[in-house]
Amino acid sequence: DAGITQSPRYKITETGRQVTLMCHQTWSHSYMFWYRQDLGHGLRLIYYSAAADITDKGEVPDGYVVSRSKTENFPLTLESATRSQTSVYFCASSLAGGPGNEQFFGPGTRLTVL
Amino acid sequence: AQTVTQSQPEMSVQEAETVTLSCTYDTSESDYYLFWYKQPPSRQMILVIRQEAYKQQNATENRFSVNFQKAAKSFSLKISDSQLGDAAMYFCAYRSPSRKTSGSRLTFGEGTQLTVNP
Repeated sequence: DAGITQSPRYKITETGRQVTLMCHQTWSHSYMFWYRQDLGHGLRLIYYSAAADITDKGEVPDGYVVSRSKTENFPLTLESATRSQTSVYFCASSLAGGPGNEQFFGPGTRLTVL
Repeated sequence: AQTVTQSQPEMSVQEAETVTLSCTYDTSESDYYLFWYKQPPSRQMILVIRQEAYKQQNATENRFSVNFQKAAKSFSLKISDSQLGDAAMYFCAYRSPSRKTSGSRLTFGEGTQLTVNP
């Protein structure tokens, strides 16, 4: 299906485990973003990527790793999950990095760390 | 750094009535974009309306309009003729004109939960 998809939609894991959240877009958008949503904070940027093999930190990058070997995929890895990483994670993409370019959001992944 | 504040955690409106959601922001930039996103229970983030700071005219999209006061750094959303389907969390967001700012990332407010009463 065309658009931006995330998998899994729900994930429960334990403290200390490695978890990878997947994001896939079919528009060939250059820019991709990972946000986390927590009560009282809205959405906050974790990492972003301007193109394949180009990634950079956002506002809250600690404890996360990203890669982008292909334009269409932008996985987010929690190397050693902690309870504070319990959140809803959103992937987004935009055609280019300019502010007028709309960011399109995936459906989100609800992650619970026990 | 830019900040966005939504001072109303919850709002309610009667069906067919009008409601205004408030948003203020802080920035030292002169050119930027402002957005309102809607997040229904499905969690999908849906763009409602956008405003370019250099445009003085307030943006309008059908029943949704904004009151953009640049000097006051205020960006409120007015929903006219409210419908049950408007019930959702609404987020105000700021976007810098500079790609150097995390790829022109969106900075979000905390959100306002809107309830529409039949």
